[in-house]
Amino acid sequence: GAGVSQSPSNKVTEKGKDVELRCDPISGHTALYWYRQRLGQGLEFLIYFQGNSAPDKSGLPSDRFSAERTGESVSTLTIQRTQQEDSAVYLCASSLYSHNEQFFGPGTRLTVL
Amino acid sequence: AQKVTQAQTEISVVEKEDVTLDCVYETRDTTYYLFWYKQPPSGELVFLIRRNSFDEQNEISGRYSWNFQKSTSSFNFTITASQVVDSAVYFCALSEAGGKAAGNKLTFGGGTRVLVKP
Repeated sequence: GAGVSQSPSNKVTEKGKDVELRCDPISGHTALYWYRQRLGQGLEFLIYFQGNSAPDKSGLPSDRFSAERTGESVSTLTIQRTQQEDSAVYLCASSLYSHNEQFFGPGTRLTVL
Repeated sequence: AQKVTQAQTEISVVEKEDVTLDCVYETRDTTYYLFWYKQPPSGELVFLIRRNSFDEQNEISGRYSWNFQKSTSSFNFTITASQVVDSAVYFCALSEAGGKAAGNKLTFGGGTRVLVKP
């Protein structure tokens, strides 16, 4: 079956612009997660969705970052007024229920010039 | 707060050698889950194993094996008879069952890069 998909795969933007990153989880997965991976580093948790609600937003680094999920399916991560330190790979994962193994998408590589 | 430490940043071996990756974790929860993921050069994370805190049995899957020891808060991973295709970054991760809003956010270690030379 289809895995987690993300778009775009690469995004280059200028400092100060807004960007939207999309995640399509595995069909039927109730839990959805966003992580960020800076070059050569581990993954940092950003936000967790259960259904369309976000019980845990503790990892969002600033109020420039927001995310939503609709239809218990697609999620969008929005970064407003991008900064160079936002450059990273943004990874989305989904799991059947919380506490199950998470399956990751290929990521979106964001470069802020 | 939960924390995962992978002290080895890079390991280089020759094909057919065994390689063991160390993972040490910290948590205050009595119920938690431990994971290993592989990130090959293509970049996509591949799930390898999930273990809950009540199951200390070691596990073997083909050339992979895992040694979970609660007494030392470690969950080490061994690749036996390594192959070039095993070259990747390997991440250990932890989630706490009693975490915020009962979610399952993963806290990752910094990763260990394994390079298997032919």
